[in-house]
Amino acid sequence: DTAVSQTPKYLVTQMGNDKSIKCEQNLGHDTMYWYKQDSKKFLKIMFSYNNKELIINETVPNRFSPKSPDKAHLNLHINSLELGDSAVYFCASSQFQGVTEAFFGQGTRLTVV
Amino acid sequence: AQSVTQLGSHVSVSEGALVLLRCNYSSSVPPYLFWYVQYPNQGLQLLLKYTTGATLVKGINGFEAEFKKSETSFHLTKPSAHMSDAAEYFCAVSGTGNQFYFGTGTSLTVIP
Repeated sequence: DTAVSQTPKYLVTQMGNDKSIKCEQNLGHDTMYWYKQDSKKFLKIMFSYNNKELIINETVPNRFSPKSPDKAHLNLHINSLELGDSAVYFCASSQFQGVTEAFFGQGTRLTVV
Repeated sequence: AQSVTQLGSHVSVSEGALVLLRCNYSSSVPPYLFWYVQYPNQGLQLLLKYTTGATLVKGINGFEAEFKKSETSFHLTKPSAHMSDAAEYFCAVSGTGNQFYFGTGTSLTVIP
């Protein structure tokens, strides 16, 4: 069983479209994250949720909206996609924020054309 | 606030040679430190972590790292590089603020 799973793995879409990326973890963790990795491999945190509650909301355009229906799921919805949104998006989870390691999903490669 | 600096965005070593990837951190509180590895088109996998206790930490695949508070460093080493070690390596720190701060990554190339 995959500990942190994301779907889809690849996503190609046109500018202006709306898309969602789903993430599920079966580790029983109470904290989940979304990270963005740009073309230079730099990892930037976007959001952090603890028990379905938003904890961290970095400077991210409000076109990005996370949703956590329960503590095992954290989905990312993106409105009005732009070329600059092209990146790899990683979901991660951890048991206690900052105390134990984060477990990462395989990533979703988003390409906006 | 916490931050991480990885010196050297690209490191090349010969197969069988010592691997040394450098990481320096900045933290106003005792840090938790991590090294992750990312193989092409994959997610990040934990290599090792330091939370408390012994300052020399052993991880998977023969890697180890030493926490040196006086130098604010957490360098990653492996005595003998294998071709399969070629990947991107990330150092990370966590502490108050409840998030992980990642370095900019070091791409390791192993030359046969």
